[in-house]
Amino acid sequence: GAGVSQSPRYKVTKRGQDVTLRCDPISSHATLYWYQQALGQGPEFLTYFNYEAQPDKSGLPSDRFSAERPEGSISTLTIQRTEQRDSAMYRCASSFLAQETQYFGPGTRLLVL
Amino acid sequence: DQQVKQNSPSLSVQEGRISILNCDYTNSMFDYFLWYKKYPAEGPTFLISISSIKDKNEDGRFTVFLNKSAKHLSLHIVPSQPGDSAVYFCAASGDTGTYKYIFGTGTRLKVLA
Repeated sequence: GAGVSQSPRYKVTKRGQDVTLRCDPISSHATLYWYQQALGQGPEFLTYFNYEAQPDKSGLPSDRFSAERPEGSISTLTIQRTEQRDSAMYRCASSFLAQETQYFGPGTRLLVL
Repeated sequence: DQQVKQNSPSLSVQEGRISILNCDYTNSMFDYFLWYKKYPAEGPTFLISISSIKDKNEDGRFTVFLNKSAKHLSLHIVPSQPGDSAVYFCAASGDTGTYKYIFGTGTRLKVLA
């Protein structure tokens, strides 16, 4: 596609519910990244994929967070048993190859009540 | 422990003048630096980058300067235009083996007409 797209753009959920966020990277891009951005902060790295491999998930804050990219294109980020502290903007980025410039999507704003 | 710092949360500049945005980092292993610009309700947009083998990179009105000994980089915008009003994020990467970007907290630039 022309750019990185993310859905939904906004998600409101109740504490304890599971949520799944979706990222559709630029079609030629091998590498996909997930970041979490709190209000007034810069994006913070969560995890990344090279095609379907997930070499680094060191930024995932707990085992309630998981990400998949089963066919090396679209990726999902799932947060189980959401907590209020999970409220943030979740940003996806992709790059043609690792170590190349990352291009960001518009983000999904998650609000956990 | 913030590895990338943008100490000025905001900056106002008159149209036509120079805007200088600053960024400091602490990790000497960083070898690639970027600036992203972010408009409201959009994802960060790549603006300009610099590798640690250079001390300056220029692209039109935008120039990034890197001072490795001081662990400092700056973005110069000349001349500033009202459309440059946005939040600017500095990012760094290269801590061997990882491709995650470490972002600063951003500087909100307002260019006054």
